[in-house]
Amino acid sequence: DAKTTQPTSMDCAEGRAANLPCNHSTISGNEYVYWYRQIHSQGPQYIIHGLKNNETNEMASLIITEDRKSSTLILPHATLRDTAVYYCIVVGNEKLTFGTGTRLTIIP
Amino acid sequence: GAVVSQHPSRVICKSGTSVKIECRSLDFQATTMFWYRQFPKKSLMLMATSNEGSKATYEQGVEKDKFLINHASLTLSTLTVTSAHPEDSSFYICSARWPDYNEQFFGPGTRLTVL
Repeated sequence: DAKTTQPTSMDCAEGRAANLPCNHSTISGNEYVYWYRQIHSQGPQYIIHGLKNNETNEMASLIITEDRKSSTLILPHATLRDTAVYYCIVVGNEKLTFGTGTRLTIIP
Repeated sequence: GAVVSQHPSRVICKSGTSVKIECRSLDFQATTMFWYRQFPKKSLMLMATSNEGSKATYEQGVEKDKFLINHASLTLSTLTVTSAHPEDSSFYICSARWPDYNEQFFGPGTRLTVL
């Protein structure tokens, strides 16, 4: 599976949109981009996934560039409960390979 | 989302004992389940892939005789840490793949402390 690169940490003000970038320049045509998050001492929580089109659900939006080499997860109105480590994962088969993720801190 | 449970949520045991951790998919049938381990301030590391009715596939460096995995039904997989030692202390997390939606749902994790 393709490797991903994410910033180590980010801060975002409560109520603002949180934009989390991810680079996956070696992604291949049949690989999906998945986003999970992990709140301290809990199991990861699925957020969203996409192949090449932008996706939106009740939690977030996923914007994938046309060349598919990068993507951005958008939490439209961040709350304190969104503080977590966010993982961007490229998946070709069913295995999930977690990188180090981005530690997002929502500031009151 | 779908629910995956783990039991126990927390266990403390003496060195040399064996510990069994259960992972259940509560509202779907999972032909494939995964076991991960997470050390403090580190990311999740995949240990093995568990397929119902067949032997588990272990990742490189994971001892299959130490971490016994049984996937006896479509809703239950167990991980047994045999002869546990303090270095096995970790957060163990399972996930179950829901084929209909091609998604993996994670359990809440089991924190193992070996004294």
